[in-house]
Amino acid sequence: AQSVTQLDSHVSVSEGTPVLLRCNYSSSYSPSLFWYVQHPNKGLQLLLKYTSAATLVKGINGFEAEFKKSETSFHLTKPSAHMSDAAEYFCVVIQLDSNYQLIWGAGTKLIIKP
Amino acid sequence: GAVVSQHPSWVICKSGTSVKIECRSLDFQATTMFWYRQFPKQSLMLMATSNEGSKATYEQGVEKDKFLINHASLTLSTLTVTSAHPEDSSFYICSAPRRGRPPGEKLFFGSGTQLSVL
Repeated sequence: AQSVTQLDSHVSVSEGTPVLLRCNYSSSYSPSLFWYVQHPNKGLQLLLKYTSAATLVKGINGFEAEFKKSETSFHLTKPSAHMSDAAEYFCVVIQLDSNYQLIWGAGTKLIIKP
Repeated sequence: GAVVSQHPSWVICKSGTSVKIECRSLDFQATTMFWYRQFPKQSLMLMATSNEGSKATYEQGVEKDKFLINHASLTLSTLTVTSAHPEDSSFYICSAPRRGRPPGEKLFFGSGTQLSVL
């Protein structure tokens, strides 16, 4: 069975400092992994995705994530946080053996301090 | 890229009324669509899998008579919350897999519907 664990329910950083949102997964197959962001009162937006190409994936708004198979991790990073990054972030793995059903992490709320 | 349109984005209704949410795949055919619900401060939870031309498959604990799903065509799935109550207030989102492309390229999301039941 596949699962996704987001290690922090809340992360608080100061504006201009680096962001690290942690995600670990378990998968019986080579996984496809996503990061989504949900801003308050808005729908989900895809930040980036890993699909067995380059292990370092660059996404929108300066975010990137590195797929590390040995650590079963797919942590999301950004060098310098901006106030507009305040949102909830979801790590997701795609379940290949079940009609492409998504397995969602519990989410991490990113708080940006001025 | 492929687009999934979901509407309404927001709906406020009185307790006891029914609300219909539509999910459309705009430039591809979706034989399957997924409906999710997000509880406050929690991750999305799969409610049901909508199958074109057949009955939806509901997850354990989801009331079939409460959340009616109809997948009448290859581009449209609807979720109807019947006799809505305040505890049904939530964020509902659909997704549709687009076949014929590698895994990870296949899933597209609607923008979600925020339902508030007074």
